[in-house]
Amino acid sequence: KAGVTQTPRYLIKTRGQQVTLSCSPISGHRSVSWYQQTPGQGLQFLFEYFSETQRNKGNFPGRFSGRQFSNSRSEMNVSTLELGDSALYLCASSATTGTVLEETQYFGPGTRLLVL
Amino acid sequence: AQTVTQSQPEMSVQEAETVTLSCTYDTSESDYYLFWYKQPPSRQMILVIRQEAYKQQNATENRFSVNFQKAAKSFSLKISDSQLGDAAMYFCAYRSHQNTGTASKLTFGTGTRLQVTL
Repeated sequence: KAGVTQTPRYLIKTRGQQVTLSCSPISGHRSVSWYQQTPGQGLQFLFEYFSETQRNKGNFPGRFSGRQFSNSRSEMNVSTLELGDSALYLCASSATTGTVLEETQYFGPGTRLLVL
Repeated sequence: AQTVTQSQPEMSVQEAETVTLSCTYDTSESDYYLFWYKQPPSRQMILVIRQEAYKQQNATENRFSVNFQKAAKSFSLKISDSQLGDAAMYFCAYRSHQNTGTASKLTFGTGTRLQVTL
């Protein structure tokens, strides 16, 4: 099976712009989670989507949003970019049995976002 | 809220030797999962090993094994016969076992950078 894929891999934006990142989970996985990784804050949970619904959200401002499509692909959007949004954004997918998550999240290679 | 602590920012080991990375966590839950992930310079997060809290037996995956002490809330990773390819950042992570909204969230430690020398 192909792993989790994320596009684009690298992105440079300027303050005030918005950005959309994409994640395709492992085939058959219906849960997608997003994380932000920065040197200062480490790895922080953004949100999780299952069956096109956001089930869990981390402590991030409303500028961070996401969605999931019927094929389980997910996008996250950051509006009005700030310098502090520069980070590695990681997507992870999990298998589920019904609505219950299986234990392991498998990560994609990440998208490196630089905000100038 | 759960917290995960990795008190060793950096560790070094000689090739073929054994090294142990430490992790402690805090939780009020009785059932949960613990993980070690490896992040090499490529930044891809790779699962190394996982442990289910209700299982008393320590998990083992080839050269990687854990020492899980539930009462002490300790979860250390032992790497035997270290190889150059083991050099990476290692993250300890916690996940609730419950099928609730919070169960999807991994809580990570700050990481331990492992260097492997010849």
